[in-house]
Amino acid sequence: NAGVMQNPRHLVRRRGQEARLRCSPMKGHSHVYWYRQLPEEGLKFMVYLQKENIIDESGMPKERFSAEFPKEGPSILRIQQVVRGDSAAYFCASSPGTGIDGYTFGSGTRLTVV
Amino acid sequence: QKEVEQDPGPLSVPEGAIVSLNCTYSNSAFQYFMWYRQYSRKGPELLMYTYSSGNKEDGRFTAQVDKSSKYISLFIRDSQPSDSATYLCAMRTSNDYKLSFGAGTTVTVRA
Repeated sequence: NAGVMQNPRHLVRRRGQEARLRCSPMKGHSHVYWYRQLPEEGLKFMVYLQKENIIDESGMPKERFSAEFPKEGPSILRIQQVVRGDSAAYFCASSPGTGIDGYTFGSGTRLTVV
Repeated sequence: QKEVEQDPGPLSVPEGAIVSLNCTYSNSAFQYFMWYRQYSRKGPELLMYTYSSGNKEDGRFTAQVDKSSKYISLFIRDSQPSDSATYLCAMRTSNDYKLSFGAGTTVTVRA
């Protein structure tokens, strides 16, 4: 029973390029959450999605960031025109519902913008 | 003021020592309190969670919540080198799914 799968593990992008981060939730989990971890800071909530729906994107920057969780396939966090300040670890978590017991994190994608 | 403040560390202790980790928070609506362990280059792993005030024990780990002081703690007894990791406190309200995290405390247990 695979856990939450994130890929790529490491991603290097030049300023101005696009970054696509993928997250496959645990089997049976239909709720996906994205968090960002900046150096020396705790994880910050970005967005909460269910299949084909964005439930809460209050933590997402208004510009350049978008997320989706299509009916088929992984959830995607897309960052357009990346800047140095986007360099961070991006973690995805999934749960079968909104109870905390089932909130499982993936190993993250470490984005470096050069 | 950050919503969740965590003692920054780092902490270095000898094997067998008791590790004490602490967080304070400002939002009195927080009801669920969690401790996550994060190994280097890995995702956070849920260690303990408690609802409202009180103590909870699980093996060598004890979580304490004092809502009147807005203060939570995690104690690790008989610490082992395998406990070396970053520990993150997290919390949420009863109506929310979003977690508010502390910045983490890195612990090293020396053999």
